[in-house]
Amino acid sequence: DADVTQTPRNRITKTGKRIMLECSQTKGHDRMYWYRQDPGLGLRLIYYSFDVKDINKGEISDGYSVSRQAQAKFSLSLESAIPNQTALYFCATSDSDSSYEQYFGPGTRLTVT
Amino acid sequence: GQSLEQPSEVTAVEGAIVQINCTYQTSGFYGLSWYQQHDGGAPTFLSYNALDGLEETGRFSSFLSRSDSYGYLLLQELQMKDSASYFCADFYQKVTFGIGTKLQVIP
Repeated sequence: DADVTQTPRNRITKTGKRIMLECSQTKGHDRMYWYRQDPGLGLRLIYYSFDVKDINKGEISDGYSVSRQAQAKFSLSLESAIPNQTALYFCATSDSDSSYEQYFGPGTRLTVT
Repeated sequence: GQSLEQPSEVTAVEGAIVQINCTYQTSGFYGLSWYQQHDGGAPTFLSYNALDGLEETGRFSSFLSRSDSYGYLLLQELQMKDSASYFCADFYQKVTFGIGTKLQVIP
């Protein structure tokens, strides 16, 4: 079984809809991250969490919110989706002693029409 | 803020050596990580340099020079499966990735 899983893997939604992307991990890591990837822009950090009670904004948090339900679960919500949120979204985890080594989920391809 | 610059594309011949450069401008710096991402796949960790010098892992090596704000990833004995995008990243405070270098290995 994969160490970091994301659901759904693909999603098409309409402008204005609320959508939640979910991430689960079995690596026992404290730290979890959400990124979006757009062609030519690399990976950009949306939110990160160092433990269940510690959530922080990343580079591009506007329009997004997150919830760390447990050490193993970190969900990303788009409260009112807009077309420029169409992207590939990745969840990642790391150990607290080695944030430079992150383990990524398979990604969720989100299309907002 | 943090900024990491990489070439957007590199082409190299199977069996050859290729170097992918990364220069950074940061208000603080911990070290340089490298990730590989195949088309349609997730990024995977390759290496990390906290100190100046060369780190070797099989066919891949990574180098860091803090005085020059510069690092590189060196891939030797290139194979077709090395065709992928390669990202450098810094994890000071928040995470910053370069835009990635798309490597095409040709026969």
